[in-house]
Amino acid sequence: DVKVTQSSRYLVKRTGEKVFLECVQDMDHENMFWYRQDPGLGLRLIYFSYDVKMKEKGDIPEGYSVSREKKERFSLILESASTNQTSMYLCASSSRGWFYNSPLHFGNGTRLTVT
Amino acid sequence: AQSVTQPDIHITVSEGASLELRCNYSYGATPYLFWYVQSPGQGLQLLLKYFSGDTLVQGIKGFEAEFKRSQSSFNLRKPSVHWSDAAEYFCAVARAGGTSYGKLTFGQGTILTVHP
Repeated sequence: DVKVTQSSRYLVKRTGEKVFLECVQDMDHENMFWYRQDPGLGLRLIYFSYDVKMKEKGDIPEGYSVSREKKERFSLILESASTNQTSMYLCASSSRGWFYNSPLHFGNGTRLTVT
Repeated sequence: AQSVTQPDIHITVSEGASLELRCNYSYGATPYLFWYVQSPGQGLQLLLKYFSGDTLVQGIKGFEAEFKRSQSSFNLRKPSVHWSDAAEYFCAVARAGGTSYGKLTFGQGTILTVHP
């Protein structure tokens, strides 16, 4: 079974702190994604990566950056956390052939509170 | 640009009753459509997907969905709901040019409450 692991389930940070959210997958997937989930807004794509060191902006990249130095690990970075970044963050991965063979696999999420 | 609308934010049904969750999409070409379920404290799990062919697709846990191009809809159904079906449900469409990478546009979600 594919496992996508997010390092923290709950995180509380102060405004202005630099925050790292970590995600690791164990299925050698090429593609990895960071989504943000807010009530009434569904999931919105922040960034995705289709290979090591490759990344593309999603719909709401402002205030975020990402890092993918190894295939299995995809980090989301909040350079200077703000209260409007309080949210649930979901990591997902898929294989390059996902369309026919496998769906997106999601982690259980990190609930981030910025005070 | 693609978009997905789930008109019902919250639905309540009794256990054993039938269920239909609505999803409308906006997309210029043939859509690739998905339903995901999120149980409390969990990530999202794929229920079913539509790529082409038969417009009625079967998924896991007894769910099915019907693609209706004329109505731009992809509604999720279950004939008899179980208490364990209480969760949040998301409809999603694969984006143009995104099929190789799995980029999806999600709807707002519908929260399902099941009364005993």
